[in-house]
Amino acid sequence: DAMVIQNPRYQVTQFGKPVTLSCSQTLNHNVMYWYQQKSSQAPKLLFHYYDKDFNNEADTPDNFQSRRPNTSFCFLDIRSPGLGDAAMYLCATSRDRGLYEQYFGPGTRLTVT
Amino acid sequence: GQQLNQSPQSMFIQEGEDVSMNCTSSSIFNTWLWYKQDPGEGPVLLIALYKAGELTSNGRLTAQFGITRKDSFLNISASIPSDVGIYFCAGSLSKNAGKSTFGDGTTLTVKP
Repeated sequence: DAMVIQNPRYQVTQFGKPVTLSCSQTLNHNVMYWYQQKSSQAPKLLFHYYDKDFNNEADTPDNFQSRRPNTSFCFLDIRSPGLGDAAMYLCATSRDRGLYEQYFGPGTRLTVT
Repeated sequence: GQQLNQSPQSMFIQEGEDVSMNCTSSSIFNTWLWYKQDPGEGPVLLIALYKAGELTSNGRLTAQFGITRKDSFLNISASIPSDVGIYFCAGSLSKNAGKSTFGDGTTLTVKP
């Protein structure tokens, strides 16, 4: 059974048109992460939530926002997508802070036209 | 920030051969993790290492946490076609609680 679910798997948006990607988890993990991954590069951490505590990476553009309304769900909002934002977006969870094993979802492939 | 050097960048091997890849860092970590990513999917955790010197196996996979805490290797024995994918190492440190630093990956191709 899928433990970290991402919807949609493929998303096409227009340049400048806001888009939201969603992630849900059935693991009841405290920590949720959003990564951006481009063409077989390493995943790049955008931000993470420890419970409701939001932690932004210093180099994450303001164009990227996130919401975590409850333990199970987390959203990635891209306010004005540019062509450079086309990538795979990965959601991951870990049971708690200090426990580094991460469980990834299948990712959402974002195309910007 | 911390950086991981993962090598080799890519490998082309024959089915049945053994594979070895490694990660090195200029700074120490207290956890090393190895993930495999299939095309179009998210990474899947293969092995987690928590102690310097620790050697852990998962089927045909064996990984070690280097004594200096600055390196780790992953071995795959008797490779099979489904081993194809990208292998990422990741290091974590207590003071960066909750976050891992990822290597750039090793792309493995297995020829039948």
